[in-house]
Amino acid sequence: SQKIEQNSEALNIQEGKTATLTCNYTNYSPAYLQWYRQDPGRGPVFLLLIRENEKEKRKERLKVTFDTTLKQSLFHITASQPADSATYLCALAGNTGNQFYFGTGTSLTVIP
Amino acid sequence: DTAVSQTPKYLVTQMGNDKSIKCEQNLGHDTMYWYKQDSKKFLKIMFSYNNKELIINETVPNRFSPKSPDKAHLNLHINSLELGDSAVYFCASSQGGRGHGQPQHFGDGTRLSIL
Repeated sequence: SQKIEQNSEALNIQEGKTATLTCNYTNYSPAYLQWYRQDPGRGPVFLLLIRENEKEKRKERLKVTFDTTLKQSLFHITASQPADSATYLCALAGNTGNQFYFGTGTSLTVIP
Repeated sequence: DTAVSQTPKYLVTQMGNDKSIKCEQNLGHDTMYWYKQDSKKFLKIMFSYNNKELIINETVPNRFSPKSPDKAHLNLHINSLELGDSAVYFCASSQGGRGHGQPQHFGDGTRLSIL
């Protein structure tokens, strides 16, 4: 069965630096990959979608890459702010596009 | 207006009881989901409905039964609750059916605790 792993459970970085989160997968060939943000006590909130034929997507300070050869996605937050502190989840889906498998999540803390 | 709303927010009950969680979305989406998030924050899909039709049914005990009276509602009924059912249950919805990879909109979860 598919396995989706995100880098270290917790990541601490200094304000203003770029945070880089990884999502690695095995035994799967996703057609879609999404990133979500989850705050304590809340549901996940969608951030970005990238398709298998896309290498990179950007939205404001966020950038996602998708390398189907390495079976990896990288999620970058540039000029990070304390308000970016949250848990970030990657989610993968196959061609049907409506059954997403979530990664283990990375808790990001941006230190002022 | 809350896009995806779940009730109740908290549910504390005894082992062996039967309980229901309700979910409603006002986004006009065609597809709705139930997820379970365990104590380690791992989010796992349980069910998905598209226009009231069950399209995803992961390996979930048959004590769990989803019901979709219309495409804006997806309820989850759980029979004979067990200690291992303690978790946060999230409802979500998305637009479009197969082959779209559309963003999912989540509710804020129902925290189920079994005593």
